[in-house]
Amino acid sequence: QSVLTQPPSVSAAPGQKVTISCSGSSSNIGNNYVSWYQQFPGTAPKLLIYDNDRRPSGIPDRFSGSKSGTSATLDITGLQTGDEADYYCKTWDTSVTAGVFGGGTKLTVL
Amino acid sequence: QVQLVQSGSELKKPGASVKVSCKGSGYTFISYPIHWVRQAPGRGLEWMGWINTSSGHPTYAQGFTGRFVLSLDTPLNTAHLQITGLEVDDSAVYYCTREVWAQGSRFDLWGQGTLVTVS
Repeated sequence: QSVLTQPPSVSAAPGQKVTISCSGSSSNIGNNYVSWYQQFPGTAPKLLIYDNDRRPSGIPDRFSGSKSGTSATLDITGLQTGDEADYYCKTWDTSVTAGVFGGGTKLTVL
Repeated sequence: QVQLVQSGSELKKPGASVKVSCKGSGYTFISYPIHWVRQAPGRGLEWMGWINTSSGHPTYAQGFTGRFVLSLDTPLNTAHLQITGLEVDDSAVYYCTREVWAQGSRFDLWGQGTLVTVS
């Protein structure tokens, strides 16, 4: 069971917006920055968002992140079928001095 | 080209050992820590630990102590993950990833993954 809680799956129609949540505690999200990763089947994860809300170069502004208290959120607007993937949040947990991932959320674009 | 390239798939019997390599190129290898992440079949990402590429000091997550060893071959810009006493449950894809710090930590560069099958 992951320290960070994500919904197992989310879905929305093309062109719509979807929100993926990542819930933690004061020892992880509450006091550390969050990053998000996109993973297509059979491939390595890819960095989408870092430092809660920053995008690496090359990531479309359809992807945005935010953090409030002990939760973080990844928003994807203008959904495309090519966005179908698994999404993971990640941060550091100071109580166990370890990196922690959320359990992952499978996005389906209907 | 900035990249991490991992060694190929491995098929091992229970009780055997395996060593996965991760070679960095296109950047100053010792400037960025290397972390290792496990993904069991159909499961999520699991952080295993990291190695300080400057000092060689490893740190392991709970559950990855004892049979798991992180090491470096600095002249070859390569990090290694060795697993001894392999168990069927060690079957997974193992990723190495580079850590970068800005305000917080992020994994900005990933190896392609190495599938280890224990059967």
